[in-house]
Amino acid sequence: GAGVSQTPSNKVTEKGKYVELRCDPISGHTALYWYRQSLGQGPEFLIYFQGTGAADDSGLPNDRFFAVRPEGSVSTLKIQRTERGDSAVYLCASSLSSGLDEQFFGPGTRLTVL
Amino acid sequence: GQQVMQIPQYQHVQEGEDFTTYCNSSTTLSNIQWYKQRPGGHPVFLIQLVKSGEVKKQKRLTFQFGEAKKNSSLHITATQTTDVGTYFCAGRRTGANNLFFGTGTRLTVIP
Repeated sequence: GAGVSQTPSNKVTEKGKYVELRCDPISGHTALYWYRQSLGQGPEFLIYFQGTGAADDSGLPNDRFFAVRPEGSVSTLKIQRTERGDSAVYLCASSLSSGLDEQFFGPGTRLTVL
Repeated sequence: GQQVMQIPQYQHVQEGEDFTTYCNSSTTLSNIQWYKQRPGGHPVFLIQLVKSGEVKKQKRLTFQFGEAKKNSSLHITATQTTDVGTYFCAGRRTGANNLFFGTGTRLTVIP
């Protein structure tokens, strides 16, 4: 079956611009996670959705970051007024139902802010 | 805040040698997961440990969860070139749903 997909695979933008990153989880997975991974580091938790609601957004670094999952499937991570420090690989993962399940990661979106 | 540290950061071994990575949390964990990330790839789930002192094996890989549920280890016997990649532990606090990933151990296997 299809795994987690993310688009775009690469995004280059200029400082100050707005970007949207999309995640399409495995069908039927109610839990969805966003992570950010910088070079040589482990994935850093950003936000967790259970269904349509953000169950835990404690990892979002500031109010420039926002994520939605309006229908409980596809999720969009939105970054306003991008800064060079936002450059990283943004990973999405989904799991069947809860945090106790294994997470299936997508290929990531590499964001470069010039 | 919660921190999950791994040592070593890097490990180079000759093919056939054993390899171990250690994971330490500053807080007690409800469970711990291990992931492998190949160069240029994304993390892939290996295993989950839940019980204090638990030991699980997958072929040449042995995973342990400490008695205090604050540390874990992954041991690979007789490494192969296919074992190359970065190994991450990821822990979850009791009652939380998010995972805190460790800093990772990057394994290089020299043929």
